[in-house]
Amino acid sequence: NAGVTQTPKFQVLKTGQSMTLQCAQDMNHNSMYWYRQDPGMGLRLIYYSASEGTTDKGEVPNGYNVSRLNKREFSLRLESAAPSQTSVYFCASSEAARSYNEQFFGPGTRLTVL
Amino acid sequence: DAKTTQPNSMESNEEEPVHLPCNHSTISGTDYIHWYRQLPSQGPEYVIHGLTSNVNNRMASLAIAEDRKSSTLILHRATLRDAAVYYCILARSSNTGKLIFGQGTTLQVKP
Repeated sequence: NAGVTQTPKFQVLKTGQSMTLQCAQDMNHNSMYWYRQDPGMGLRLIYYSASEGTTDKGEVPNGYNVSRLNKREFSLRLESAAPSQTSVYFCASSEAARSYNEQFFGPGTRLTVL
Repeated sequence: DAKTTQPNSMESNEEEPVHLPCNHSTISGTDYIHWYRQLPSQGPEYVIHGLTSNVNNRMASLAIAEDRKSSTLILHRATLRDAAVYYCILARSSNTGKLIFGQGTTLQVKP
């Protein structure tokens, strides 16, 4: 099993460009999450999907949109990238959106916005 | 969301036990205590979690104070591979699985 996979691994954008970060999991998990991590900081939740067909905002949703394409895939879209969105983006999944479920994280996408 | 307090950094010698403390004085009765760690340039990795009782797994042990206002992650024999940032996180049952990360404790392991 690959677990949680993310593409691309690295990306450089110019201000105003758009892009979609892809995430897929092969563990048949119901819940998926998108986090960002700025240098020297902990992770912050952007959006999450408790189950297929639902999405909800996290701590820092502004400037992002998400799509839960199916049970396996959860994408994050930046419509008009800004330098403040330079960060490392992590996708995670869990069996269910419960406080006792562990989350499995992908390897991350390093995004630089010039 | 309830806040956790951890030391910024700790050092340990290889093959010695490590005790990583976490204070969470505003914990509520339904909050689970989770520990994750993040190795350099990798995504976070689940370590252990508990509610009231002490917990053991193959990676570590979690000791929870009787009043639940603090907990300690115990690595029984530190290895160089255990050098990472360790996050203590409270997960609220109302948060639908959301994890609120703090800045964590950076653990250095000396050979």
